[in-house]
Amino acid sequence: DTEVTQTPKHLVMGMTNKKSLKCEQHMGHRAMYWYKQKAKKPPELMFVYSYEKLSINESVPSRFSPECPNSSLLNLHLHALQPEDSALYLCASSQDWASGLWEQYFGPGTRLTVT
Amino acid sequence: ILNVEQSPQSLHVQEGDSTNFTCSFPSSNFYALHWYRWETAKSPEALFVMTLNGDEKKKGRISATLNTKEGYSYLYIKGSQPEDSATYLCAYNYNQGGKLIFGQGTELSVKP
Repeated sequence: DTEVTQTPKHLVMGMTNKKSLKCEQHMGHRAMYWYKQKAKKPPELMFVYSYEKLSINESVPSRFSPECPNSSLLNLHLHALQPEDSALYLCASSQDWASGLWEQYFGPGTRLTVT
Repeated sequence: ILNVEQSPQSLHVQEGDSTNFTCSFPSSNFYALHWYRWETAKSPEALFVMTLNGDEKKKGRISATLNTKEGYSYLYIKGSQPEDSATYLCAYNYNQGGKLIFGQGTELSVKP
């Protein structure tokens, strides 16, 4: 199984809501990633988890809170978002993070709209 | 600021045409270069990971070359098919560790 799944596919939330994005992989990968992609722009790295520990936080505002409950699951908790946070959020995984040489497997993304 | 540029931004070809596009990255610091294909409404899919200057990789009708000294990689598609229509992204990695810096992509449209 080489699939990364993400739920939900679409999410509309108000600025006062709390919601979570979920990502799952069963490839035994030890690195998992969150990316944000705005329209017509390249994906931008937000967070990297390696062996269930947060390894990179690209100065992401605290209204985004990642969580890695186990090696197969990655969550992104959202609270008090702004309309400019509307974007496609992509999850990815790879064999490991430290070597930098493994291809990343991406999920289809969650399209988030903040109203 | 590390900049990865891809050209052209978009490309329209007829079925059967061969095509190529470019990814440019800083040559001063290089660790790896990734290529991904992203079809509309699907997940980005890895094509190649390249590390050595002069590297050539091939997958079916798609191949890629790498020149780390001058900071570019070419992706070639031989005999384009409609199913090759997608955005092709390159991503540059400047050190050990998985932070990829993506280019904006080349959007390829292949008409039957």
